[in-house]
Amino acid sequence: DIQMTQSPSSLSASVGDRVTITCRASQGISNYLAWFQQKPGKAPKSLIYAATSLQSGVPSKFSGSGSGTDFTLTISSLQPEDFATYYCQQYNSYPLTFGGGTKVEIK
Amino acid sequence: EVQLVESGGGLVQPGGSLRLSCAASGFTFSDHYMDWVRQAPGKGLEWVGRTRNKANSYTTEYAASVKGRFTISRDDSKNSLYLQMNSLKTEDTAVYYCARVVYIGDYHIDYWGQGTLVTVSS
Repeated sequence: DIQMTQSPSSLSASVGDRVTITCRASQGISNYLAWFQQKPGKAPKSLIYAATSLQSGVPSKFSGSGSGTDFTLTISSLQPEDFATYYCQQYNSYPLTFGGGTKVEIK
Repeated sequence: EVQLVESGGGLVQPGGSLRLSCAASGFTFSDHYMDWVRQAPGKGLEWVGRTRNKANSYTTEYAASVKGRFTISRDDSKNSLYLQMNSLKTEDTAVYYCARVVYIGDYHIDYWGQGTLVTVSS
């Protein structure tokens, strides 16, 4: 199975900050990487697929990069509604696997 | 508007069975692969399994943790997805989400349901 490792597991940031979350795959997954946002008590929301493509309706302050084993999710200017937990997922091979999550908290 | 509504969760004893349903609307259900994903209390997301569409013979994939115990099925005439869970264990306690899989260059999740809670406890 492909292991997905996210870092950091949590971070504190201020409104307006630029935030970067990293996801590393235990083996190459090309660009078969998705990012999801989850707020407490809510279902996940899809943000990015194919490592860099924004889901419809997702604001452009979210961006993804990477290929192979190393990927990043960047939020260009953190807003109050962005405080949440973020997960990466590889869908290169079965079983599909998620990273452990990165909780973005208010500083 | 795409909607996915899960139901069927509840309290079940270890060793018991439960069947979850996911009612889909707002899109052509039969065209899409569908996933089940779960989340144990206070934990991260865990992919449970996938069903492909009729064009791909409704084949399925499962996580090792549920293979042989869980079965994913669908009824395209009812726009519904199912998860039959047998031989339930306490570690199966989780919120279960159904998710739509879309093909845009690759197969990935784009929409999620709101989830249904399954508690396995004596």
